[in-house]
Amino acid sequence: EPEVTQTPSHQVTQMGQEVILRCVPISNHLYFYWYRQILGQKVEFLVSFYNNEISEKSEIFDDQFSVERPDGSNFTLKIRSTKLEDSAMYFCASSDPSGNEKLFFGSGTQLSVL
Amino acid sequence: AQSVTQLDSQVPVFEEAPVELRCNYSSSVSVYLFWYVQYPNQGLQLLLKYLSGSTLVKGINGFEAEFNKSQTSFHLRKPSVHISDTAEYFCAVSLPGGTSYGKLTFGQGTILTVHP
Repeated sequence: EPEVTQTPSHQVTQMGQEVILRCVPISNHLYFYWYRQILGQKVEFLVSFYNNEISEKSEIFDDQFSVERPDGSNFTLKIRSTKLEDSAMYFCASSDPSGNEKLFFGSGTQLSVL
Repeated sequence: AQSVTQLDSQVPVFEEAPVELRCNYSSSVSVYLFWYVQYPNQGLQLLLKYLSGSTLVKGINGFEAEFNKSQTSFHLRKPSVHISDTAEYFCAVSLPGGTSYGKLTFGQGTILTVHP
């Protein structure tokens, strides 16, 4: 079965640094998402992306965050100036336009901000 | 706004025993309901979903769930579990219509551990 691929699986960065998390969604999918899970908390929606623009975003997704689909295969999440509280597991997901309401998730990138 | 509560953070069970993982939700409007499963070092994958129609839905790996509107519940069941069912299970809701189904509100997860 096709998979959503996320790299790296674990990323360590210093507070204040910029970080880019990368995802390769399933090739025929058109809708893309980022979620995060802070240790011990619920998985939270960050942003959805369709047709090269943000469809919806949560309150968490402030000006420090941005998303991009720089080419036909990658989908990235950029955090401009990381904070300690950005430490979390970040999940990318994608879905196709068939209307079956199913998201395919990657295995996540564990971001540690020191 | 919607919210989801999974009543058990951990559920230990012996192999071949039945299991029920409980999920309650809160919403002022109709919602879609989902169960996702996460095996170690893997992404979340969809087990089953309720969009409309029959309140009993069947999913992969022998799991089923029943939507109860009056109790605002969507409990997950399996009559006989296997060691391979050991994983974390997430209940989630979203709003119907357009692409809103992708904006999921998750419960806190239930870790199911199946013992031999």
